[in-house]
Formats: sequence, structure tokens, C-alpha cells
Amino acid sequence: QSVLTQPPSVSGAPGQRVTISCTGSSSNIGAGYDVHWYQQLPGTAPKLLIYGNSNRPSGVPDRFSGSKSGTSASLAITGLQAEDEADYYCQSYDSSLSAVLFGGGTKLTVL
Amino acid sequence: QVQLVQSGAEVKKPGASVKVSCKASGYTFTGYFIHWVRQAPGQGLEWMGGINPTSGGTNYAQNFQGRVTMTRDTSISTAYMELSRLRSDDTAVYYCARGDVVSIDYWGQGTLVTVSS
Repeated sequence: QSVLTQPPSVSGAPGQRVTISCTGSSSNIGAGYDVHWYQQLPGTAPKLLIYGNSNRPSGVPDRFSGSKSGTSASLAITGLQAEDEADYYCQSYDSSLSAVLFGGGTKLTVL
Repeated sequence: QVQLVQSGAEVKKPGASVKVSCKASGYTFTGYFIHWVRQAPGQGLEWMGGINPTSGGTNYAQNFQGRVTMTRDTSISTAYMELSRLRSDDTAVYYCARGDVVSIDYWGQGTLVTVSS
């Protein structure tokens, strides 16, 4: 059971908007540690999608956005495309555990 | 461009050890932390720990304390992760990744370690 909680799956039709939540606690997200998001396409290594809660690395489409509030964070994907079908992971740091944390991952299905 | 190139797939017997390497290029090796993350078949990402390439200081996840050793050779910009007393549930893809103490930006391609008798 991950310390950061994500829904196991989300789905949406092409062109729609979906959001993926990431819920932590007062020793990680709530303590002020940034949340980062990774996209993992089937059979490949994870790729940084959002860093520092809401920043996109060069090359990541602006259809992807991130936000953070309190002990939670969210990833939003607008204008869904078939190529967005992947697993998405949130990541933060926990001061009590002195450990990097990952959410359990969310599988996005584009209908 | 930043690259992390890992060693090839391994097959090990239960009780054995495995050592995976991660060669960095395209940036100053001592400027960034190296993390190790594993992913069992069909499962999520699990952080194992990390190493500061400058000092050699390490931070291991509680689940791996006593079984994992992370080292580096700055002369060849390479980090290593050794896992001992392997069990069947250690079968996974092992990733090295670059970042700071609390986050990750670039990932290696992964190394499949299969533990089977």
C-alpha cells in the first residue's frame, strides 16, 4: 500500500479532460515537498511529465498540467489523445521516512 | 543530452546477489543524486534508495536495509546497485535515475533481473 494514494484507473474519450489525484499526508505533500508526475508508456521507462507541482519540461505538451493544494495534488490532461494511454505516477518526499515516495500509479485508458 | 545506460539483463538463483551498473553521460556526474527504483511485473514503482556521487553517502529505503549496497566510481561516471540474498519476489526491472535528494528527472532504460531456481 503506497503512502501516496492514486486511483488505480481513469478513462476518457478522445478530446475529453481527465484528472488524476494524488493524496498524501502532513509528512510529505502537506509538509511542502513538491509533487512530480511521470508517464510510463507500455514497455518503457518512466518519463518526467510535470515537475515542481506544475511545471512542464521542454517538449511536454501544454495539454498536461499539474496542481497542488494542502496534502493533495492533481494531474489534468485535456484534449485526450490515443497516445496518452499509459500509466501515470506521482512522486514526492516524506520527511518522517526520509524516503522518496511514489503513488501506486494510475492506468489511463483512452476509450 | 543526459543519458543513463544500464547493464544488461540478469538471471540469478535464489540466495545469490546481483550488481547492476548505470553509466551516466551528458552532464556532470557529481552534480546530481542517483536513485534506484524497481518495478515488479505488472506492479508500480518502488524506491530502493539513492547515492550522492560526490560524497558516496547513501540513503536506503527501509524495505531494503541490510540487503542493498549502492556505490559509485566517479572516474568512469558510473553508479552501482548490489542486491543480496535474492528471492523470487525480487524479480523486477531495476531503474537508475538522476535527480536531487527529493526528486527524479532522467531515467535509465531499466535492467530486468529474474530470480529463478
